[in-house]
Amino acid sequence: QKEVEQNSGPLSVPEGAIASLNCTYSDRGSQSFFWYRQYSGKSPELIMFIYSNGDKEDGRFTAQLNKASQYVSLLIRDSQPSDSATYLCAVNDSNYQLIWGAGTKLIIKP
Amino acid sequence: GAGVSQSPSNKVTEKGKDVELRCDPISGHTALYWYRQSLGQGLEFLIYFQGNSAPDKSGLPSDRFSAERTGGSVSTLTIQRTQQEDSAVYLCASSFRDKGEAFFGQGTRLTVV
Repeated sequence: QKEVEQNSGPLSVPEGAIASLNCTYSDRGSQSFFWYRQYSGKSPELIMFIYSNGDKEDGRFTAQLNKASQYVSLLIRDSQPSDSATYLCAVNDSNYQLIWGAGTKLIIKP
Repeated sequence: GAGVSQSPSNKVTEKGKDVELRCDPISGHTALYWYRQSLGQGLEFLIYFQGNSAPDKSGLPSDRFSAERTGGSVSTLTIQRTQQEDSAVYLCASSFRDKGEAFFGQGTRLTVV
């Protein structure tokens, strides 16, 4: 059974601090890794993707991938109240099908 | 269209009736997913279409649920003899096979009364 694991939270972070969200996956054949943000009552939206080991930065967001440890993370710098949402980790399997984590609820406290 | 389009946005139906939910994926996307999401819960996988391959139907919760994808584009999810536990938001997403990034429609909120 291919799995993607996330801490459900809630993760509470003060405004302006760094929020760190983590995800582990079971399929060593996975090649693509994604982070989605979902606001309450809305559909998930893609915010980051990463294919290679290391870090990928986009504005305040940094995705980190470690294939040896089967670990992917998302860092949000200078957290804002508008970052409060549920963050979903998704990993594609060898058939390119997306496998989803259950999501981590992030709360940014002003 | 520019994005994934789902219709209707909202559907209220009586228990025991059949419903059809429609998804128009992004043009050229070969992969299409259906998910169900209940309030406060994660995404529940229902079915995955990829090009001309046989769909992965492993997530369909019962034989009352079926889906088809015509011409590799539009997809319809059908729920027969709806039950109250079928009430949820049904989300459709599409992607290019090799890239894998999925883009979601706005969802259909189904309420069975």
